[in-house]
Formats: sequence, structure tokens, C-alpha cells
Amino acid sequence: QSALTQPPSASGSPGQSVTISCTGTSNDVGAYNYVSWYQHHPGKAPKLMIYEVNKRPSGVPDRFSGSKSGNTASLTVSGLQAEDEADYYCCSYLGSDPRYLFGTGTKVTVL
Amino acid sequence: VQLVQSQAEVRKPGASVKVSCQASEDIFTGYYIHWVRQAPGQGPEWMGRINFNGGGTTFTQKFQGRVTMTRDRSINEAYMELSRLTTDDTAIYYCARESDFDDSFDYWGQGTLVMVSS
Repeated sequence: QSALTQPPSASGSPGQSVTISCTGTSNDVGAYNYVSWYQHHPGKAPKLMIYEVNKRPSGVPDRFSGSKSGNTASLTVSGLQAEDEADYYCCSYLGSDPRYLFGTGTKVTVL
Repeated sequence: VQLVQSQAEVRKPGASVKVSCQASEDIFTGYYIHWVRQAPGQGPEWMGRINFNGGGTTFTQKFQGRVTMTRDRSINEAYMELSRLTTDDTAIYYCARESDFDDSFDYWGQGTLVMVSS
């Protein structure tokens, strides 16, 4: 299984929106509504931002939203803030080995 | 709530390494604890999981025969041991708790760097 494909980088000015794509296949992203997104500030513990494609855990700002169309999932960060600058990874549940497949990661820069 | 992992390790090829992950509160009981690694310049890679209650494990085929996952319920700690290390095993290793929603991980450790070098 190859990693899910994400753009290496994305950027936006404070207050703007940025959307990150996560492209897989009909065997992973397209097969299940089980895509999650993680925010990772290097050196710290990753943080769950979205689960089951578009659901936010308690405490995650509603500026973060998720969606999916076919084999591509997306994370949108609206109203960018300086603290949103981080690496973001998608993850798809597969149901069979290797059970979970992560994306290649996207570095979001707030200009 | 924090998951605190053990410190960085350096090993020679062929050696083994054991990484620990301790929860600051009793949040492991009733959950699966997963191990994920991230090699330099690559995305994360799922390695396997352990049922913290019963101790049952599932590993991805890539690591079958080389990885062991255990836990100590009395101190809320999980362990991952990887043997027959090669330089390709150089990575940051993370523990993570599977969320109530099955498809995601709601608590993560800070990561443990394992460097394999001769």
C-alpha cells in the first residue's frame, strides 16, 4: 500500500482559508467514511482535528472542517491563525492490513 | 492528559530497542494502544496495536516477527520492542490511543527518536 498523496505545502495569510487534499484509491479513502486528520507541531504530540471525514472532536475550533469526494478527502482551515502553522496528515482506515494508511503530509505556512 | 514516551535511543544494526509510553491518567483501560512510526522525510506508518485490557496484538505484516507489544496495566504503560534493527528503522516512534470512533487516534505521545547507526 502506498501512502495517501498530499501536497507538500500550502500557505495563506492570516484570516484566509487553505484547503489540503488527501488522495487515495477506491480501496482506502474511497471505500470508507473513516478519514481522520492530524495537526502536528514538530517535537510535540500530534493532535486529532477531524475524524470520520467531517467530525470535530471536542475542543477543535470550527475553523477546521473536513470533506470527501470519491477517493479524495480534504481539510479546510478557515480564518487562518498563526498557531495553525504546522504539519497536517490525513489517515484512512482500511479494515485490513495495514489497517491504517497515512498521508505524505502537508506543511501549512501562515504568511 | 499526557502520554509520556521514553527518551531517544541509538542502536547498532542487528540490535533491539524497547520504547515505553506511559499515560498520566488511567486512559488506557478498555482501549487499543497503537504504535506509529515516521521515518525522516516520510509520512507516518502504522505498525500495530495492543488491546490494553487483554493484551492481544495485531501487527502489520511488514513488522511480523520483529515487533512485540506489551503493557503493564498497574502503571498505565505500553511498550513496543523492535528487533533486528536496520538503518531503515531510524524514525520517530509514537504511541497513540485509538479513539471511541475506531478510525482515529485521540491521544498521542510526543514521540521517541530511534536512530540506528553503525
